[in-house]
Amino acid sequence: DADVTQTPRNRITKTGKRIMLECSQTKGHDRMYWYRQDPGLGLRLIYYSFDVKDINKGEISDGYSVSRQAQAKFSLSLESAIPNQTALYFCATSDLGPATDTQYFGPGTRLTVL
Amino acid sequence: AQTVTQSQPEMSVQEAETVTLSCTYDTSESDYYLFWYKQPPSRQMILVIRQEAYKQQNATENRFSVNFQKAAKSFSLKISDSQLGDAAMYFCAYRSGGAWAGANSKLTFGKGITLSVRP
Repeated sequence: DADVTQTPRNRITKTGKRIMLECSQTKGHDRMYWYRQDPGLGLRLIYYSFDVKDINKGEISDGYSVSRQAQAKFSLSLESAIPNQTALYFCATSDLGPATDTQYFGPGTRLTVL
Repeated sequence: AQTVTQSQPEMSVQEAETVTLSCTYDTSESDYYLFWYKQPPSRQMILVIRQEAYKQQNATENRFSVNFQKAAKSFSLKISDSQLGDAAMYFCAYRSGGAWAGANSKLTFGKGITLSVRP
């Protein structure tokens, strides 16, 4: 089984709808992240969490919210989806340690807002 | 704020040949990490290689190696003996801080480069 899973893998929704993207991990990592990928822009950080009680905004958090339900679960919500939120969304995890704090990514969720 | 620049949007290489992908970054920090991630058509982000800024020795992982020039703030990826499976988008990424990064473990990505491999 994959260490970092995302559901759904693909989603089409309409403008104004509330959408939740879910991320689960079995790596035992404390840190979790949400990114979005747009063509020609690379990946940009939306939100990140260093533990269950810690939530931080990234560079593009407007229009998004998150919930860290447990160490292993980190959800991203679009309260009222709009077309420019059409993108590929990635969840990632990492662990603080004496190594490199490398981030490991989930398979991504393709979201289309019509 | 740190920035990562990948100025070449696309590159192509003949199978079995060597290709180098360029990346430059801007930072005022002295302690940081650099990464190359690969994104094949499956869209999974796969770590290729990482480099600690305090290490002078260039990182190597099998056919993948980097040329890290700290003074020039350059971090290029060399792929030797290119294979069809190397065709993907490659992202360069920067992470602030030392081994215990604290609040600075966020990654800053470049825009990516699409590598095609000709059979």
